[in-house]
Amino acid sequence: AQTVTQSQPEMSVQEAETVTLSCTYDTSESDYYLFWYKQPPSRQMILVIRQEAYKQQNATENRFSVNFQKAAKSFSLKISDSQLGDAAMYFCANTGTASKLTFGTGTRLQVTL
Amino acid sequence: KAGVTQTPRYLIKTRGQQVTLSCSPISGHRSVSWYQQTPGQGLQFLFEYFSETQRNKGNFPGRFSGRQFSNSRSEMNVSTLELGDSALYLCASSLEGFEIGGYTFGSGTRLTVV
Repeated sequence: AQTVTQSQPEMSVQEAETVTLSCTYDTSESDYYLFWYKQPPSRQMILVIRQEAYKQQNATENRFSVNFQKAAKSFSLKISDSQLGDAAMYFCANTGTASKLTFGTGTRLQVTL
Repeated sequence: KAGVTQTPRYLIKTRGQQVTLSCSPISGHRSVSWYQQTPGQGLQFLFEYFSETQRNKGNFPGRFSGRQFSNSRSEMNVSTLELGDSALYLCASSLEGFEIGGYTFGSGTRLTVV
């Protein structure tokens, strides 16, 4: 069974600052992928960044980067130069060979001026 | 290219009725998954279809069913609706399912059962 834990229900960051969202996971599979999804009030889940478990190099997508610690089963998301448009719910998710996403409970990110 | 399209966006049904939700995946995507999102339970996997076959199923009662057509479009059906079925139902598509490409989600169908 797979589990994903997000221990921060809410986070706040000032515009232009950096924020890190935490995620830990557990899986019995050796081959899996990890994702961060963003869900704004429009409801659509938007893929922010993805990481292949067998790659040691941390994924980066523009202002978004991850810190993937495989041994610790940790997958945190760093948002640099935060913008008002980054305000949303952020979900960490894991998928294994069963082709299903297991989501964490989400972190609501507020961006203030 | 067009994204994942879910219809309808909103639906209000009465307890005991049945409902059918529709999902059109991105062209070329063969895997379609369904998720239920509620404030209490979060995001939960319902089932996945691949090439018209149910490949995986979550822990939901038999009232929840689905199917996939030859053009990869998928429908989800809930029979004998209960108040607890009120939720946002999200559909996601991907090329093959388990892959780094990830899953592209639709905007969801908000179902309210009264």
